[in-house]
Amino acid sequence: GAGVSQSPSNKVTEKGKDVELRCDPISGHTALYWYRQRLGQGLEFLIYFQGNSAPDKSGLPSDRFSAERTGESVSTLTIQRTQQEDSAVYLCASSLTLSSYNSPLHFGNGTRLTVT
Amino acid sequence: KQEVTQIPAALSVPEGENLVLNCSFTDSAIYNLQWFRQDPGKGLTSLLLIQSSQREQTSGRLNASLDKSSGRSTLYIAASQPGDSATYLCAVKNAGNMLTFGGGTRLMVKP
Repeated sequence: GAGVSQSPSNKVTEKGKDVELRCDPISGHTALYWYRQRLGQGLEFLIYFQGNSAPDKSGLPSDRFSAERTGESVSTLTIQRTQQEDSAVYLCASSLTLSSYNSPLHFGNGTRLTVT
Repeated sequence: KQEVTQIPAALSVPEGENLVLNCSFTDSAIYNLQWFRQDPGKGLTSLLLIQSSQREQTSGRLNASLDKSSGRSTLYIAASQPGDSATYLCAVKNAGNMLTFGGGTRLMVKP
């Protein structure tokens, strides 16, 4: 596709349920990031992937959060036993390469997660 | 730890004005700095990217400058239009490949 695609665009779930969010990066982009944006707040880094290297998981807020990526394609972010404080927009972004001075980041439209 | 601050947090101007948005960062060892625009309920759209070796970048009515040694960047918008209303975010990329975002400036351009 032409841009970064995220699904679903909206997700409402009950507290305690697991959710899985999907990101399709731009074809050929080796670097992929996940960010979280709570209402009225800035972007909070969660995790990034670069090719087949081990991901940087330093931003994941708890062990209920995990993410996978197969090669340089689709990534999924899983939140287990969701809590109300997990409610936020989850944004995915990709770029041509991670270690570069001139590779801009391209964002998807995000998944708005509401935990009731 | 890199910290990025954007001032002002919100700005309202009449149509046609030229305006400047400010971004400051604490760690000057950056790869690049990127300015984004975010419309309500949408993702971020990349506007300009300035590499660490560059001083400025221009695209249409937008001009972004970078003073790495002082840890500052500005986004200049000429002849503002109501369609420019959005939140503008700056982000810096450090040697650890971490991208750190500022809190954004919410811009309203009134007709």
